[in-house]
Amino acid sequence: DAGVIQSPRHEVTEMGQEVTLRCKPISGHDYLFWYRQTMMRGLELLIYFNNNVPIDDSGMPEDRFSAKMPNASFSTLKIQPSEPRDSAVYFCASSLTGTDYGYTFGSGTRLTVV
Amino acid sequence: GENVEQHPSTLSVQEGDSAVIKCTYSDSASNYFPWYKQELGKGPQLIIDIRSNVGEKKDQRIAVTLNKTAKHFSLHITETQPEDSAVYFCAASRTWRQTGANNLFFGTGTRLTVIP
Repeated sequence: DAGVIQSPRHEVTEMGQEVTLRCKPISGHDYLFWYRQTMMRGLELLIYFNNNVPIDDSGMPEDRFSAKMPNASFSTLKIQPSEPRDSAVYFCASSLTGTDYGYTFGSGTRLTVV
Repeated sequence: GENVEQHPSTLSVQEGDSAVIKCTYSDSASNYFPWYKQELGKGPQLIIDIRSNVGEKKDQRIAVTLNKTAKHFSLHITETQPEDSAVYFCAASRTWRQTGANNLFFGTGTRLTVIP
């Protein structure tokens, strides 16, 4: 398996623009998580899905953030409009219950909003 | 919710020495404690984990210990090598019976530098 695949690896955008981050989880995994990593706040859980259904989005900072999982192999995290304080590395992770509890992380998307 | 504290934030050791990173957690219901290693430009990678019914687990040069009473757990790396240099994160989670989910709550990370 190629692991969790995220795209793009780097994104630079201007304030006010819409940004869409993409994630392909490991095939067969039933949980998908979106995390944000910054120096100040470390790793923060934004939202997670189980079998494509959002379970907990309490970590989403505000209404400018939205996430979808239209099918088991694809998820998006959208920021509209983007702001400089959204600059961070965004990670997607997936896991499979019933086998082990370990998460597999993607390589992340480094977002810079100027 | 769970609160995980991690110390130290930075750690420098000479090659061949041991390194110890410590974490505490607040939720006594947490039952799973993984450790992740994050290298520059990459996502965190699981290196070892321990469940609450076990006090210690070893895998070659790394080991993790858990003290449920005191609610703390530690990562031990022996015979450190330059390639061990990375940021290490501890995490804690509990399994929610209703959903089967196990949300991970991460510590703030320890930047380990192994000096050749």
